[in-house]
Amino acid sequence: SAVISQKPSRDICQRGTSLTIQCQVDSQVTMMFWYRQQPGQSLTLIATANQGSEATYESGFVIDKFPISRPNLTFSTLTVSNMSPEDSSIYLCSVALVYGYTFGSGTRLTVV
Amino acid sequence: GQNIDQPTEMTATEGAIVQINCTYQTSGFNGLFWYQQHAGEAPTFLSYNVLDGLEEKGRFSSFLSRSKGYSYLLLKELQMKDSASYLCAVRGNAGNMLTFGGGTRLMVKP
Repeated sequence: SAVISQKPSRDICQRGTSLTIQCQVDSQVTMMFWYRQQPGQSLTLIATANQGSEATYESGFVIDKFPISRPNLTFSTLTVSNMSPEDSSIYLCSVALVYGYTFGSGTRLTVV
Repeated sequence: GQNIDQPTEMTATEGAIVQINCTYQTSGFNGLFWYQQHAGEAPTFLSYNVLDGLEEKGRFSSFLSRSKGYSYLLLKELQMKDSASYLCAVRGNAGNMLTFGGGTRLMVKP
């Protein structure tokens, strides 16, 4: 199984600023995903992070707001830009493995 | 597109059996996953079905009927620690990503 290290685990940010979340995987994986989980709700896919090319965004999410980097097969970052209180949520990265999907521990973001 | 429905909340008694249903309507299908998520924690993998039938793993079993777009997760001999949210997720044919249902919050009472 793969182990994902995600950081920061939580942060409180001022509106208008940006936060970059990092995920490091202990093995090479082809596919990495970024999800958002708003309070009391399920997971919504933000984008698929592709190594060597631009991320693929889901409807309702745009690159200017959520820029993603994927410089190699073990690492990815998600930036939440120009934050507003509506961005307060948990953000999770995930990787696809042969037998299923593993999730990072999540980043709990509060925007004030 | 994908539409995945599951009950919002369920309550059951310690030691009992509970069945959590999930129905889906998807443009493609390449497997259904069940995850458990305790409050404040990441989802953890419970089961995977891609063919029709029942998959059993200890106290947890999962069933799939592709023709009916239906799955259930069966939890036996409920324990207090089973109080959590249970997420049904479908993998489509394109992109290999998972689409999640809204999750079912299960409360186990003594």
